[in-house]
Formats: sequence, structure tokens, C-alpha cells
Amino acid sequence: GAVVSQHPSWVICKSGTSVKIECRSLDFQATTMFWYRQFPKQSLMLMATSNEGSKATYEQGVEKDKFLINHASLTLSTLTVTSAHPEDSSFYICSARRQSTEAFFGQGTRLTVV
Amino acid sequence: QKEVEQNSGPLSVPEGAIASLNCTYSDRGSQSFFWYRQYSGKSPELIMFIYSNGDKEDGRFTAQLNKASQYVSLLIRDSQPSDSATYLCAVNRGGGGNKLTFGTGTQLKVEL
Repeated sequence: GAVVSQHPSWVICKSGTSVKIECRSLDFQATTMFWYRQFPKQSLMLMATSNEGSKATYEQGVEKDKFLINHASLTLSTLTVTSAHPEDSSFYICSARRQSTEAFFGQGTRLTVV
Repeated sequence: QKEVEQNSGPLSVPEGAIASLNCTYSDRGSQSFFWYRQYSGKSPELIMFIYSNGDKEDGRFTAQLNKASQYVSLLIRDSQPSDSATYLCAVNRGGGGNKLTFGTGTQLKVEL
């Protein structure tokens, strides 16, 4: 299957600081990438859809000014959690799609805000 | 009603048995259906997908889709302890963006 690389795999940051998470499709061009958040024992919740060269589309209830998404190229999308707080601690996962409808996931980033 | 529903489990099966995982969805316009496996602390990995009514087999896995009943299932034959994980059903509702909607997952435990 296709390879989607996410970095970092885990990060601990202080409350009030910002954290950037990268998602790269290594062997295909992804015009669309998705960002999910998963709290313990819960399912993946879609946060936003990232389209190369245009603004991201956010799901209802997700603050676009807090979760900044940039999709600058066909192989890279970034999610920046700004002014992070403990309640933002979660498992953040990106996925990318090829021409087909299959979605491949990155390894995930476990964010802990202290 | 949730868009994609799964029994949270845990579903316990003995090693070598068939594990049957079920999923129902609410949107009749859904076009494609996916099964992902997620180990604790890891991101989901795609097992298989299905678009058409009927069965689709891949190794020990068989996906079954019944659009009339809005039901999709995953059968795992000859279950192994390494199959113990949470299985997520995901549905592509179609439309712009090809977004996937996930169920909450079913935890499977394969016991020795």
C-alpha cells in the first residue's frame, strides 16, 4: 500500500504554545488530505479536509483559528495546534488519498499538553 | 441515530474460529465501504474495501455488503491472536471531498 508519513509521532508541549504536525505522502501525490482526532476509546473524528493550494474545509465545531492547516504541495500537509491547552491532548492522525478512494493513514501523533 | 454503528464489543473468539464483525450505516447514498484495523496506540490500517453488493474475499478476510439492508460485515477466518485489535468500519458518503465517516469500532479478542 501507499506510504503516508506523519511527524512527530509524539510530542509534549507546554500549555499556551503551538505545535506543528507534518503529514507527507511519500510515494504518491495527494490532492486531498484529511486530519482526524481520536480521544481514548473513541472513534476517529474528522477535523478538516485539506486541499492542495486552497483553504481547508473544517468540520462543524472545529476552530479554524486554533487548528491551522496548510497544504502547500501535493505531498505535504501540516496541522498547527495553536495556543494548545490540556484538552487538546489527543491522538492526531492524517490520511491521504490517491486517485482511487482508498485512504492511507499516517502513523499518528500523540499530543500531550501539560 | 449514528451515521455508522458498530457494536463496541469486546468480541471474543477462540483461535482458529471465524470472527464476524458487523456495521450498519444510515445514509442510503453511501457509495463505498472500508474496514480498518487499529491496534492500541497505533493509527488505522486498511484491511479491505467494498463497493458492490455481495462478498469480496482477500485471504482470510471476507467483506460482505448489503445496500438494501444498509449493512456491511467483515469475516475473519482462522482467527489468530495477532488479529486482536479494534476494527473500524468506515463509509464514504460520496459528494465533495470523499470524506470517510467512521464507526466507533469493535474490539476483537482472539483467545488461545
